[in-house]
Amino acid sequence: QQQVKQSPQSLIVQKGGISIINCAYENTAFDYFPWYQQFPGKGPALLIAIRPDVSEKKEGRFTISFNKSAKQFSLHIMDSQPGDSATYFCAARTAGNFNKFYFGSGTKLNVKP
Amino acid sequence: DGGITQSPKYLFRKEGQNVTLSCEQNLNHDAMYWYRQDPGQGLRLIYYSQIVNDFQKGDIAEGYSVSREKKESFPLTVTSAQKNPTAFYLCASSIAPAAVNTEAFFGQGTRLTVV
Repeated sequence: QQQVKQSPQSLIVQKGGISIINCAYENTAFDYFPWYQQFPGKGPALLIAIRPDVSEKKEGRFTISFNKSAKQFSLHIMDSQPGDSATYFCAARTAGNFNKFYFGSGTKLNVKP
Repeated sequence: DGGITQSPKYLFRKEGQNVTLSCEQNLNHDAMYWYRQDPGQGLRLIYYSQIVNDFQKGDIAEGYSVSREKKESFPLTVTSAQKNPTAFYLCASSIAPAAVNTEAFFGQGTRLTVV
């Protein structure tokens, strides 16, 4: 079953608007939550990441909000630009003896000019 | 430049043929991974390796095989037993152990098509 559930599957936002992508998980062994951005035909690139002991992390126009009790986290893209149009994946990592990453199903973002 | 190099970028396979996808990294990462990406399904883990000469099956290992003879190399073979191999394949690496904040870094992918 999907360890990390991501929504929406696709998103259309006007230039300058806020894009919001949500993810949820059940496994309390997850200890690190990166977000990736992927352009067509390319590999995913790390965008921003957060630990569960932090409720919010901001880097430029990108912000992760994290709700540990609800096991939910979200990516907010402020002042969305056409160049942000890409597929976004949330991910979760299990700690322990090995880094193992689980990915959401992806959100295709289209920012209209 | 440090990074992960996948080759080839495009690969065509005939029915019943085995093909090997190359993945090389110069990041000095211990852990390496292979993911398969299909539209609308995100990334699914095929195999992963923590150290040389050791690897583990992921969620969809059937029809695939790997080797890890060198730290920097983790080739993936798609065998004829994989009935639906057409997909985008991504190789990744990360620092191990898991005690540090670490992410997976990805190559640019190989698109495999059955002809």
